[in-house]
Formats: sequence, structure tokens, C-alpha cells
Amino acid sequence: GQQVMQIPQYQHVQEGEDFTTYCNSSTTLSNIQWYKQRPGGHPVFLIQLVKSGEVKKQKRLTFQFGEAKKNSSLHITATQTTDVGTYFCAAPSSGGSYIPTFGRGTSLIVHP
Amino acid sequence: ETGVTQTPRHLVMGMTNKKSLKCEQHLGHNAMYWYKQSAKKPLELMFVYNFKEQTENNSVPSRFSPECPNSSHLFLHLHTLQPEDSALYLCASSSMGANYGYTFGSGTRLTVV
Repeated sequence: GQQVMQIPQYQHVQEGEDFTTYCNSSTTLSNIQWYKQRPGGHPVFLIQLVKSGEVKKQKRLTFQFGEAKKNSSLHITATQTTDVGTYFCAAPSSGGSYIPTFGRGTSLIVHP
Repeated sequence: ETGVTQTPRHLVMGMTNKKSLKCEQHLGHNAMYWYKQSAKKPLELMFVYNFKEQTENNSVPSRFSPECPNSSHLFLHLHTLQPEDSALYLCASSSMGANYGYTFGSGTRLTVV
């Protein structure tokens, strides 16, 4: 089934630095979702991207969907300690299912 | 609170015990899901219910038995579990279709001893 590969697995940054996580697929995706899970918490839906080349912003977070709809990125500008957590991308498996398969996630550690 | 409530939050059970996890949502969603989250593994989909009908079972061992009496409630019945079944079990709900994000509950941290 469809797999989305996320990199990096971990990222340490100093507070104020930028952060980017990438999600890649070998096949075209119908849509992609992003979630954030704080340590000890549960995944929280952030956004869904559907259109080729789509860019959406939520405050310091910028989400992009590639032109070929095979990759996506989440960029955080000027990280804060509240950004700590694991960021997951999720995309439907091939074969017509609408149910997303989750990537392994990127764990962001922000050092004050 | 997320709108999806899971109980209990923590559960320790022996391998011969029988227990049940409960999930409840009042968001008007018509699809509910069970996920397993283990350390260093991606979120694993276990079961899917649409309008209280099971539509997916991702090769889950029979020691896990789901029940969905209505579109607001979901249970996961556990029996004769193994230590490797220890994990965070997450319930989620969504409106059916490809354009909606999932709302997750806080999860049940299960430890099998």
C-alpha cells in the first residue's frame, strides 16, 4: 500500500531557528494531511492540502504541496518551545481508499 | 477535551485478563477508527467503522475485538493479550470522505504484564 516517507526523523533546533520537515511519496497523492502530537499527547489535525502547488499558512507554519502532488513540506519560522512535538504527514493509500496512512513523523526538539 | 473521549486513560492488564476500551464522540461524525501507536513505529490503523458498519480490519489478531453499537460509540474488547500489545491505543472520528481531518481522543496507555 501507499507509504509516505518523512524526513528527518529527529530535528534539534535552537529557539528562534527555522524548521522544515518533508514528506515524500513514490506515487501521486490525492491529498495530504498534517498533524502535530505533543509529548504525552495525541495527534491533532493541522491542515489538509489538496491542490497541486498549494501553499497554506497558519501563523508561523507554512504548508506546501508539490506540483506533482508527490511531496509536501511543513516549515516553521522562528521556532518556539511550544512547537516541540512530533509532526506527522498522512495521505490516502493507493487503491481508492480515502483513509490516510501516516508517516513515521519528525520529532522537533527546541532548545531554549 | 478534543470532542472524542476515551476511557480509561491508563490500563494495566495481565495476559489472561479481559478488558474493554471505550471511545465516545459527539461531533456528529459518522466514521470512527482504532489506531495503535507503539514506540518507534508509525500509527497503525486497526479498524474502521462507517455508520457503525465495519469497513476495514487491517489484519488485526482476533484477541482484539471491536464493537460499534452506534455512530457515537466505539469499543475495543481485549483478551489474552501479549506483552508486545502494550501501546497507546487511539480512537479517532471523522466525517466520511477524503476531505476531512481526523479528531483523535487522548488515548488509552495499555500495559500488558
